[in-house]
Amino acid sequence: DSGVTQTPKHLITATGQRVTLRCSPRSGDLSVYWYQQSLDQGLQFLIQYYNGEERAKGNILERFSAQQFPDLHSELNLSSLELGDSALYFCASSVEGKNEQFFGPGTRLTVL
Amino acid sequence: GQQVMQIPQYQHVQEGEDFTTYCNSSTTLSNIQWYKQRPGGHPVFLIQLVKSGEVKKQKRLTFQFGEAKKNSSLHITATQTTDVGTYFCAETKGRDDKIIFGKGTRLHILP
Repeated sequence: DSGVTQTPKHLITATGQRVTLRCSPRSGDLSVYWYQQSLDQGLQFLIQYYNGEERAKGNILERFSAQQFPDLHSELNLSSLELGDSALYFCASSVEGKNEQFFGPGTRLTVL
Repeated sequence: GQQVMQIPQYQHVQEGEDFTTYCNSSTTLSNIQWYKQRPGGHPVFLIQLVKSGEVKKQKRLTFQFGEAKKNSSLHITATQTTDVGTYFCAETKGRDDKIIFGKGTRLHILP
């Protein structure tokens, strides 16, 4: 158990819909990262937040957005969903100044 | 854009054989991290290398950072079934801590 929690574990929805994925980082970690992992694909970095502020942006689509709240939990919003958005979405957190990331169990999104 | 290339993409080895995965970059790497993801699981941090020529060991795992800091390797001696999974290398770069993952090497152990 990494200490990072993600909900829900599984999500099945239809094309065109909007979903919200939630992540709670390890206690004390200020940085939260979001990744997308498709079948047979590596980890695609989407976005990073640090203490409520966006810090780095990766290959995140305009249909996707994220935020980090004052209690440091983060949400990833995916809208106008397409079949190709079906993937595992991981959240990770880290301590300031350290590159080691602790990953949550992931949310498996299936778009039908 | 910047990327780290991992080879091979897949590797099947007999249990007890050695295994090596390589991570290469066309540019100098600031650092390299290695992660392991078991089937159905999430990535777990293994180690970070920072210095040129650095070598670190964890039991049967040996991690190396090239002298020019453009490549890294992970070597597993005498593989066991518990070593099954995908091994990723990653670089964290820049003031904004942007992280770039390789596509990973999937290791399958034949009993």
